[in-house]
Amino acid sequence: QKEVEQNSGPLSVPEGAIASLNCTYSDRGSQSFFWYRQYSGKSPELIMSIYSNGDKEDGRFTAQLNKASQYVSLLIRDSQPSDSATYLCAVPNQAGTALIFGKGTTLSVSS
Amino acid sequence: EPEVTQTPSHQVTQMGQEVILRCVPISNHLYFYWYRQILGQKVEFLVSFYNNEISEKSEIFDDQFSVERPDGSNFTLKIRSTKLEDSAMYFCASSNRGQPTGELFFGEGSRLTVL
Repeated sequence: QKEVEQNSGPLSVPEGAIASLNCTYSDRGSQSFFWYRQYSGKSPELIMSIYSNGDKEDGRFTAQLNKASQYVSLLIRDSQPSDSATYLCAVPNQAGTALIFGKGTTLSVSS
Repeated sequence: EPEVTQTPSHQVTQMGQEVILRCVPISNHLYFYWYRQILGQKVEFLVSFYNNEISEKSEIFDDQFSVERPDGSNFTLKIRSTKLEDSAMYFCASSNRGQPTGELFFGEGSRLTVL
């Protein structure tokens, strides 16, 4: 059974700062990783996917993958109050038939 | 932009009653999923569906649950005899590719309250 671990937070950062969110996973064979954002009372919304070791940048968001250490992180530069949400890390299950989600890290950006 | 739509947005039912939650996935997607999220807890996988059959189901998806794609557009989740612990937000999701590379797109959810 694949496990995805995240620090539940809350992680509090001031507006304009860099927020760093981390996720570890148990299955060394995992090949793809996803970050979703979930506002309170809303559905998960895909932010980024990453498949290769290293960094992937998309606007203010950077996903970092380190397969040797089995962690994936999400950096949010120039954090805005609108970034306040729960960020979910997800990896495919063993059979590759579904995504398994971590509990999520709650981010609070103060203005 | 194409989106996954779910109905109803909120349903209140009595324990023991049957409930059907409906979803219209994105039109060119082939992979369909149901997840649930109990208030304050993680998003949990229930079932995945492809080519008119279940691909995978979790331990949560017991005999009280069933899924169906009755026509070319709808994807339904039926809970035959609801329990108090079935109270949760149920999310439908779809993807145009299977795992491990397929990105899931979620509907807005159906909140189920069992009294």
